Amino acid sequence: QSALTQPPSASGSPGQSVTISCTGTSSDVGSNNFVSWYQQHPGKAPKLMIYEVNKRPSGVPDRFSGSKSGNTASLTVSGLQAEDEADYYCSSYAGSNSVVFGGGTRLTVL
Amino acid sequence: EVQLLESGGGLVQPGGSLRLSCAASGFTFKSYAMTWVRQAPGKGLEWVSGISGGGTRTQYADSVKGRFTISRDNSKNTQYLQMNSLRAEDTAVYYCAKYLKWESGAFDIWGQGTMVTVSS
Repeated sequence: QSALTQPPSASGSPGQSVTISCTGTSSDVGSNNFVSWYQQHPGKAPKLMIYEVNKRPSGVPDRFSGSKSGNTASLTVSGLQAEDEADYYCSSYAGSNSVVFGGGTRLTVL
Repeated sequence: EVQLLESGGGLVQPGGSLRLSCAASGFTFKSYAMTWVRQAPGKGLEWVSGISGGGTRTQYADSVKGRFTISRDNSKNTQYLQMNSLRAEDTAVYYCAKYLKWESGAFDIWGQGTMVTVSS
């Protein structure tokens, strides 16, 4: 149950797009389409932004999109807004009903 | 309104025990798997444990296996996390969350968290 690998930080200017990667293994990210992404603002609970690689829960802006290739999943935030500044975590189903998270990426809107 | 409310956190000595509770409202509790996720101070999220809607299937992270027990009482719309043999590294905010669906590994509803501090 090793954590998925995310870059510790990412940044972009308002209106730009930024992509955050999430690298796992053939036992987790590469073995299924159950990758999720969460947004967490300081002192708040995480919020589900993407599930099953590229699906958005109701209420999540379509500026947020997900994709996957092999053992690496990605979250793209388009048209960056100030309120997008937060920590982002990926997660993946890892077999036997277990889940593994990434280490998190702090997104800064410049 | 869909809501999860954790309770039971606090300060406990190493080797001690604590039981967390999570009261659910606003959805058909027995129909959904539930989970506990923790976050150590200044650190990332760590999945701890999950339980199926009926309570018959459970799963644990290696870091807590044999020390923590997840359970639920569907008549009370409440899930629990019994934590024994606590260690300093168990210090974290513990979040209760609802699975979107058991096999998805996605958690769509989260509580506000309860802090557990293991220290002498």
